[in-house]
Amino acid sequence: QVQLQESGPGLVKPSETLSLTCTVSGGSISSYYWSWIRQPAGKGLEWIGRIYTSGSTNYNPSLKSRVTMSVDTSKNQFSLKLSSVTAADTAVYYCARSSTAGGSNNNWFDPWGQGTLVTVSS
Amino acid sequence: QSVLTQPPSVSEAPRQRVTISCSGSSSNIGNNAVNWYQQLPGKAPKLLIYYDDLLPSGVSDRFSGSKSGTSASLAISGLQSEDEADYYCAAWDDSLNGLYVFGTGTKVTVL
Repeated sequence: QVQLQESGPGLVKPSETLSLTCTVSGGSISSYYWSWIRQPAGKGLEWIGRIYTSGSTNYNPSLKSRVTMSVDTSKNQFSLKLSSVTAADTAVYYCARSSTAGGSNNNWFDPWGQGTLVTVSS
Repeated sequence: QSVLTQPPSVSEAPRQRVTISCSGSSSNIGNNAVNWYQQLPGKAPKLLIYYDDLLPSGVSDRFSGSKSGTSASLAISGLQSEDEADYYCAAWDDSLNGLYVFGTGTKVTVL
């Protein structure tokens, strides 16, 4: 059974770069899309972007200028970097596997990691 | 930012049936598959329905999904206290070079 675990600093200073890693266990990272999703406290879900194991990426246009995703198949990990963070980037960040059918746009997230809270504050 | 609209809350008595609507447009629900996620308090979201109306293994058949045009619905029958959660619809949106969008979310309360 595939499991995902997010890791990274829980506190980031404004204007700095948020860096998170998601470790995949119980299965291979290959041949899937892998996504990052975030949720501010008390609010809804926001898709940040996804990466295929080939390195191909799709980012949310609203965050695209600040987001970089990468994948390390040798470690079964993928990562998120979000630059120039502000308090508005404070949220629980989730990683998830994206499965697709009938084209890469028909995708769903399963499973999800447990989430990690990242607070942006000086 | 959400382009998928859901009612903020629905409530019903145990053993009854509730439906949650999700309204979108031709660039998302009208052209791509809809998924539904359940988020229990303090937990990560969990896939409930995928590809409009398919149940993942292990999900109770009390949950069902449907889609018509640019709208989708999630139905929960035989409502149980453990169903109290937030529910989100989601779909790919073909606008702006493409992005995955979530609904505004619906809080289900079991009276």
